[in-house]
Amino acid sequence: DAGVIQSPRHEVTEMGQEVTLRCKPISGHNSLFWYRQTMMRGLELLIYFNNNVPIDDSGMPEDRFSAKMPNASFSTLKIQPSEPRDSAVYFCAVRGLTDTQYFGPGTRLTVL
Amino acid sequence: SQELEQSPQSLIVQEGKNLTINCTSSKTLYGLYWYKQKYGEGLIFLMMLQKGGEEKSHEKITAKLDEKKQQSSLHITASQPSHAGIYLCGARRGGGGNKLTFGTGTQLKVEL
Repeated sequence: DAGVIQSPRHEVTEMGQEVTLRCKPISGHNSLFWYRQTMMRGLELLIYFNNNVPIDDSGMPEDRFSAKMPNASFSTLKIQPSEPRDSAVYFCAVRGLTDTQYFGPGTRLTVL
Repeated sequence: SQELEQSPQSLIVQEGKNLTINCTSSKTLYGLYWYKQKYGEGLIFLMMLQKGGEEKSHEKITAKLDEKKQQSSLHITASQPSHAGIYLCGARRGGGGNKLTFGTGTQLKVEL
C-alpha cells in the first residue's frame, strides 16, 4: 500500500463553479494517475504523469479539465467550469514497484 | 465494445460457496491486475499476473492468466461476507506505457 491521500472526500458544487481536487502521495512517486469512475462508463484514465510531466492526457474529456503535478508529492485536478455530467468519483493512483498502481480513497463530486 | 469484458456482471452466492469471475481481453495482454472495491472506497490491489500460465494465491483467492486466450480468472474458495464488493480487472498494454485499462467490474454479494 503506497498510501495516497485525496481531498476533499466529498464535494458538492453548483454548475459553473470551479472545482479543485487534490492528491497527495504519502511518499513521493514519479508516476501518478487520475481516474474517473461512473456507473455508465466505469473506471477511465484521465491523465498520467511521469516525473511530474504529463505523459498522456488523451482521457481528459474537455478543455474544462486541467491537471498539474508541481512535485512528486502533490497533484491537482481542476474543472472549470463544472457541469452536472462531471459528477463522478475521481481517483488518484500512484505506481509502486512492479508497475502496480495503488489508489487513493477517491473524491465523490456532485455538480448540481 | 469494451477492451476488457468481465463476467458475470453480478453474482450472489451463499457463504461457503466457491465462485469464479472471468476477465477477457480483446487485445494482447502484457500484465493483468485484479483489484477489489467496496462501495464508497478506493481500489485495493489483490494480485498481478504477467506470464502465461501464471497462477497466484492470496488467502482464499486464486488468480490465473491464460495468455493464449487473453483471459484471466479469479477464483474464491469458501466465500465469506468479507469477500463482498466489486472486483475489477485491469490490463497493461504494450508500448512501454504505464496505462491500465479496466474492465466493467463484477459485483459480488455473499449471503449468510
